Amino acid sequence: GAGVSQSPSNKVTEKGKDVELRCDPISGHTALYWYRQSLGQGLEFLIYFQGNSAPDKSGLPSDRFSAERTGGSVSTLTIQRTQQEDSAVYLCASSEEGTIYNEQFFGPGTRLTVL
Amino acid sequence: AQSVTQLDSQVPVFEEAPVELRCNYSSSVSVYLFWYVQYPNQGLQLLLKYLSGSTLVESINGFEAEFNKSQTSFHLRKPSVHISDTAEYFCAVSALYNTDKLIFGTGTRLQVFP
Repeated sequence: GAGVSQSPSNKVTEKGKDVELRCDPISGHTALYWYRQSLGQGLEFLIYFQGNSAPDKSGLPSDRFSAERTGGSVSTLTIQRTQQEDSAVYLCASSEEGTIYNEQFFGPGTRLTVL
Repeated sequence: AQSVTQLDSQVPVFEEAPVELRCNYSSSVSVYLFWYVQYPNQGLQLLLKYLSGSTLVESINGFEAEFNKSQTSFHLRKPSVHISDTAEYFCAVSALYNTDKLIFGTGTRLQVFP
């Protein structure tokens, strides 16, 4: 079946603009994660959704970042008033039940460049 | 809190040579440990994991890693690498009490030369 998909694959924007990044998890996966991969920084956890529970937003770096998940499936990560330091690859992952015994499957990422 | 250190940002090796990618972690609680691989222009894939039991875990493509609690390490090894092993390798950890979050290291780029 299809894996995790993300769109767009690349996004170039100007400083101060808002951007929306989309993630389509694997069908039936109840858990969805967003990570940020910056050059030399590894992967940084941003936010986690599990079913209908309140999301774990503890990794969001500022209030300019937000995410929602509609109908327990597709998720959108929104970055308002983008800054140059927001430039990174944003990765989405999903898993079946949200426990570590269930592997997180990653999408190909969205490369965001803020000019 | 947990943290992961991958001291080597790049490891160049020749084909058929052995390789070790180092990973050390810090945690005040018990952890699960993982290695993920990111091939060029592809997404991250789970390579192997340690949850419990035998401290030596293996992947299907010849990599192995050993959990060493006393040294807080989870180094990744392969006795003979192939060109196709060229990729970025990430070590990750999660706490047993909070298995929803993976804490990743900064990654090691393995470059295999012919």
